[in-house]
Amino acid sequence: GQQLNQSPQSMFIQEGEDVSMNCTSSSIFNTWLWYKQDPGEGPVLLIALYKAGELTSNGRLTAQFGITRKDSFLNISASIPSDVGIYFCAGRAAGNKLTFGGGTRVLVKP
Amino acid sequence: SQTIHQWPATLVQPVGSPLSLECTVEGTSNPNLYWYRQAAGRGLQLLFYSVGIGQISSEVPQNLSASRPQDRQFILSSKKLLLSDSGFYLCAWEEDRGLYGYTFGSGTRLTVV
Repeated sequence: GQQLNQSPQSMFIQEGEDVSMNCTSSSIFNTWLWYKQDPGEGPVLLIALYKAGELTSNGRLTAQFGITRKDSFLNISASIPSDVGIYFCAGRAAGNKLTFGGGTRVLVKP
Repeated sequence: SQTIHQWPATLVQPVGSPLSLECTVEGTSNPNLYWYRQAAGRGLQLLFYSVGIGQISSEVPQNLSASRPQDRQFILSSKKLLLSDSGFYLCAWEEDRGLYGYTFGSGTRLTVV
């Protein structure tokens, strides 16, 4: 079956830093999505990507649909404390259910 | 606009007791519906999905079952809870063409004691 490898599994951010995370797939996807989950809540859709090479921003967040259609990345610029949470990538091949990555847990540096 | 409701928000149940979690969607017709479980700090595990009334697909054999008695109602059940059933349960929906992403409910935190 399809698998998504999301990395890193966790990261520490310092306010003002830019951070990146990515997902790679063993197969081609037609859609890439990025979600954020705050503690005790359901994941919320941040960005949706539908074309290879597409680069889309949502405020300080930027995501790209990889040219090979097997990867995607999410960048957070000038991070702030409320950026903490779990970020999930998700991909969909035509007609299939979403496949979710294992998540990247973003924490604040002590 | 479409909304998804999931309840209860938290639940503490003894081992061996039954379970019923309910999810309803408003403002859409014939949605695809999903139940996920999430262990603490971990990823999303798909448990069941449904593309229509009475149509249930199970992804993982386990102690749980799902039912869809109405178009916009999805129920997760168990006859006898196990300690390992503890977790955060999420319901999600998408429009039936599956062109966009899932919209998740706010989740139910289940603790089996």
